[in-house]
Amino acid sequence: DAGVIQSPRHEVTEMGQEVTLRCKPISGHDYLFWYRQTMMRGLELLIYFNNNVPIDDSGMPEDRFSAKMPNASFSTLKIQPSEPRDSAVYFCASSLARGKANEKLFFGSGTQLSVL
Amino acid sequence: AQSVTQPDIHITVSEGASLELRCNYSYGATPYLFWYVQSPGQGLQLLLKYFSGDTLVQGIKGFEAEFKRSQSSFNLRKPSVHWSDAAEYFCAVDPSGTYKYIFGTGTRLKVLA
Repeated sequence: DAGVIQSPRHEVTEMGQEVTLRCKPISGHDYLFWYRQTMMRGLELLIYFNNNVPIDDSGMPEDRFSAKMPNASFSTLKIQPSEPRDSAVYFCASSLARGKANEKLFFGSGTQLSVL
Repeated sequence: AQSVTQPDIHITVSEGASLELRCNYSYGATPYLFWYVQSPGQGLQLLLKYFSGDTLVQGIKGFEAEFKRSQSSFNLRKPSVHWSDAAEYFCAVDPSGTYKYIFGTGTRLKVLA
C-alpha cells in the first residue's frame, strides 16, 4: 500500500491567496483526519471525517478554513484567504475502524505551508 | 480541561543507554493512550497503544510503555537506544474513544554516538 499521500509537499504563497491541500487516504480506510503542526501549538486536530461525512470541525480555526471529502479516496483542505499565521505543517491521517483495540492513525508526510 | 503533558522538550542520550520519556495526562477516566514517533520530514508512526488490560505494553522497535493510573502517566521506555531512534516522540490521548486525539507537545530525542 502506498500509504497516505499528501500534495503538495511544500507550498509557498503570498498572503491573501487561496491554498488547497490534498490528501488521498489509504484505500479502505473510513476515517480521515486533518491536523496542523506548529512550534507554538504542537499538533492540533482541525477536522475529521467518517465515511466521507464531517464529524467534528470544532478545531477549524476560522471561516477561512474549509475541508471537503467528495469521495472515499480524496479530501481537500482549503484556506481562503491565507494569512502568514497559517504557516505550518498540515498532516492528513487515515484510520480503519476495527474496534478500539486495533485503532491506529496512519499519517501522510505532510504539507509544509509558508504564507509570506 | 483534558491535556497531555510531556515535560521534557529535549533529551540527549548516548547510544546504548536506556531511555525513558515522560507523559502525563489529565482526564477523569482511563483514556486510550498512544505513543507516536516522527522522523524529520515524515508523518507520525504509531509505536504502541494502551486500551485496557496489562499495564505494560510492548511496541515496535523495542519500545515499551507502562500505564500507571495512580500517577496518570504513560511513560515510554527503551533499554538500549540506537542512533536511528533519534526523532521526535509524541504522547497522545483519545479521552472518550471518539478519535479526537490530544497530542502532547513532543520530546525531541538526540542520540550521541
